[in-house]
Amino acid sequence: DTAVSQTPKYLVTQMGNDKSIKCEQNLGHDTMYWYKQDSKKFLKIMFSYNNKELIINETVPNRFSPKSPDKAHLNLHINSLELGDSAVYFCASSQAGSPLHFGNGTRLTVT
Amino acid sequence: DQQVKQNSPSLSVQEGRISILNCDYTNSMFDYFLWYKKYPAEGPTFLISISSIKDKNEDGRFTVFLNKSAKHLSLHIVPSQPGDSAVYFCAASDRTYKYIFGTGTRLKVLA
Repeated sequence: DTAVSQTPKYLVTQMGNDKSIKCEQNLGHDTMYWYKQDSKKFLKIMFSYNNKELIINETVPNRFSPKSPDKAHLNLHINSLELGDSAVYFCASSQAGSPLHFGNGTRLTVT
Repeated sequence: DQQVKQNSPSLSVQEGRISILNCDYTNSMFDYFLWYKKYPAEGPTFLISISSIKDKNEDGRFTVFLNKSAKHLSLHIVPSQPGDSAVYFCAASDRTYKYIFGTGTRLKVLA
């Protein structure tokens, strides 16, 4: 039983393309997140949704658009991909005040 | 502005000895601290946490110490085992929905 699952695991695409990453959690958590781990291995928060409402929106280019159709799903759509978008993207979920549970990441490579 | 810092990028320890991983933070509003363990190609896994009302929390071989006046926390692993070899991240939260991560310390336990 995978608690937080994200697809795809690997994504290789060319500059300028549009791509999506999907995330689902079966923990019943109210809050979901997207984190980016760049080449320096720094885990940086991008977005957070609580009960389908956007509550955290860090300084992220507006080419990145999260969408939460329900509280168990949080997808990330990226328009006009750039080389600098290459990173590992982690989805996570939590209940208020409790630890984050992470998915296994999506390694995005933009060529 | 990095609010959570792990100044040692790597640490090597002999099997059976103690591993001590350190973390410093700057934001005095942080009151909940966590340690995560990450293996390659997997997401970070929650290890142990501590609230600011405590100065120590223990779970089996893992103990987290918090020194609020120094804005410093540490993770002790005793005894260290080869399976503990991983990247360890500390994280901090001010009980909002935001969790801020350090840059990680790679622990290598030598058999």
